[in-house]
Amino acid sequence: NAGVTQTPKFRILKIGQSMTLQCAQDMNHNYMYWYRQDPGMGLKLIYYSVGAGITDKGEVPNGYNVSRSTTEDFPLRLELAAPSQTSVYFCAIGGGQGSLGYGYTFGSGTRLTVV
Amino acid sequence: AQKITQTQPGMFVQEKEAVTLDCTYDTSDQSYGLFWYKQPSSGEMIFLIYQGSYDEQNATEGRYSLNFQKARKSANLVISASQLGDSAMYFCAMREELGFQKLVFGTGTRLLVSP
Repeated sequence: NAGVTQTPKFRILKIGQSMTLQCAQDMNHNYMYWYRQDPGMGLKLIYYSVGAGITDKGEVPNGYNVSRSTTEDFPLRLELAAPSQTSVYFCAIGGGQGSLGYGYTFGSGTRLTVV
Repeated sequence: AQKITQTQPGMFVQEKEAVTLDCTYDTSDQSYGLFWYKQPSSGEMIFLIYQGSYDEQNATEGRYSLNFQKARKSANLVISASQLGDSAMYFCAMREELGFQKLVFGTGTRLLVSP
């Protein structure tokens, strides 16, 4: 039971390149989230999903896209990478009915540098 | 809209002493949850403790306790008998219990425990 798996762990992108950050979970959870953490800051919500086929924007969605075709996977797409997207990206699962008292489970993060 | 404020960028404590990390929140909802997460230098997000807005007792988990003062909208984390391994970033977070239950984070407090 791996929980939440993110790949890759590290990546360096050139300005204007694109990439997909992968997030997979094996806990059959409907609610999934993408956060970014800039140096010395808290986490900010990029996108979230409450089930396959249902996604919505969070606080900082510009420059990103998501899709959710299965319960297990929630990839985050960066189009035309910019230096401002240099950050650590976390995928998380949690929330939903019956989840009171339980913390959200985070992946180990993807450290992205755009040069 | 929800907001979490952590006013202590850094805190120092000696080993075996207790320390309180401050967190205040703002929400117009009656039903919400408050969380504390630990982020060590390795980067992972570790769930520590949860407090529901309707819980009358303060939450405790081992050496961690949450000092919940609803009227003041504060949810301070108390770590008793600090250990060297407690040195990390600590984030306070909140979610509304209705809707899509997104976690909103504060900016964090860096705790350093000295021998």
